[in-house]
Order: sequence, then C-alpha cells, then structure tokens
Amino acid sequence: SQQGEEDPQALSIQEGENATMNCSYKTSINNLQWYRQNSGRGLVHLILIRSNEREKHSGRLRVTLDTSKKSSSLLITASRAADTASYFCATGGIQGAQKLVFGQGTRLTINP
Amino acid sequence: DAGVTQSPTHLIKTRGQHVTLRCSPISGHKSVSWYQQVLGQGPQFIFQYYEKEERGRGNFPDRFSARQFPNYSSELNVNALLLGDSALYLCASSLETVQETQYFGPGTRLLVL
Repeated sequence: SQQGEEDPQALSIQEGENATMNCSYKTSINNLQWYRQNSGRGLVHLILIRSNEREKHSGRLRVTLDTSKKSSSLLITASRAADTASYFCATGGIQGAQKLVFGQGTRLTINP
Repeated sequence: DAGVTQSPTHLIKTRGQHVTLRCSPISGHKSVSWYQQVLGQGPQFIFQYYEKEERGRGNFPDRFSARQFPNYSSELNVNALLLGDSALYLCASSLETVQETQYFGPGTRLLVL
C-alpha cells in the first residue's frame, strides 16, 4: 500500500500561476522527497527535506514539512508550460527500512 | 558524468517467459534500488542492494530476484511472467542509503502479452 497520499490527484492552472500540491503520510519518517516525472519517463529529484527541517527552497520550488500533521506541501511559483508533469512525494527511512515509499502522484497541467 | 542507465528501454515478452533487466548506477554510487511503476500509479519498491548485499525487499513474489555485481551494477530478474508484470521498471542509485537523494534511470518498459 502507498504511504504517501497526494492531493489533488490532478491540477490544471494557467501559466504564471502558483501550483500547490500536498502529501500526507502515515508513519514516522527520516526524510521526505519530491520527484517529477514527465510522460512515464524516469523520475527527477526535486527536493529532499529531513524530518528535523520545516521548509526548504530550490529556485521556484518551496517545500514544507509538518511532522505533527504528517504532511508536506510542494509549491511551484510562476508556473511554466515545462512544469507540466506528474509530481510524487516519497517518504524515506521509515523505521530503518531501506526504501522509498511513493504516493500516487499529482498530475499537473500548465495551460499556456 | 553519466547518469543512471538502464537496458533495454523497451521489452515485449509473453506469459511464462523470463526477463532480465539491467542497471548501471552513477559512478561512485554503491546503492541500487529497483521499483515497479504500473500505469497511473506511483513506483512500488522491489529491492535495494548496497555493497552487493540485499538490504531491503518489497512485497513482491519470489518470481522477482535481483543481484548486484562488484562494479555496483545490478540485474533484476523476473520469472514466469504474468500479464500483471507489465510496467515501467525503474532503477535508482545513491551513495549509500535512501536517506539521500535517489537518482533514477529512464526505466525499462516491459509489456507482457
């Protein structure tokens, strides 16, 4: 079963707008990672945030982590057509397990 | 530096056959993980290898096996293929553990007829 649950499952916005995707998980984590996937190809790593961090930035990306609520959000500012992709959150280091557990993803469409 | 490479890129097999998928990690990375991604779903963890030893195994049947070689490349083997094994198989490498950034290859798309 999936650990992370992304919300919404699909999001369609206009170019230039901000996009926010949310991820909830069920058990304690060591870290949470966000990935992007274009058209069923390999995943591209975006940001890794550790359980003792609350917020991280990378370019137009901002990730927050609230371990008390077991949730994370990914904000993409000033969206571009090239941001159209599926976005996945993945939790790592659960109870020492050496694996990433992915959610089902959010399909983001940026309309020109 | 080259990223994670996987071969083949596409593969068509029939039920009952066997398949071997290959992965070469980024130079210097000692950990390789395998994931299965069915259309419309997130990747599901299959195996993780570090220094040629299995360090993690997902909820997959014994028909799935893997190994890691001294040069840290890896093979995923699937026996007695079922229609439900049709998926994108992803390999990821990292320096040591999943507590670090995972670098994914482009995947092998397997179709079982």
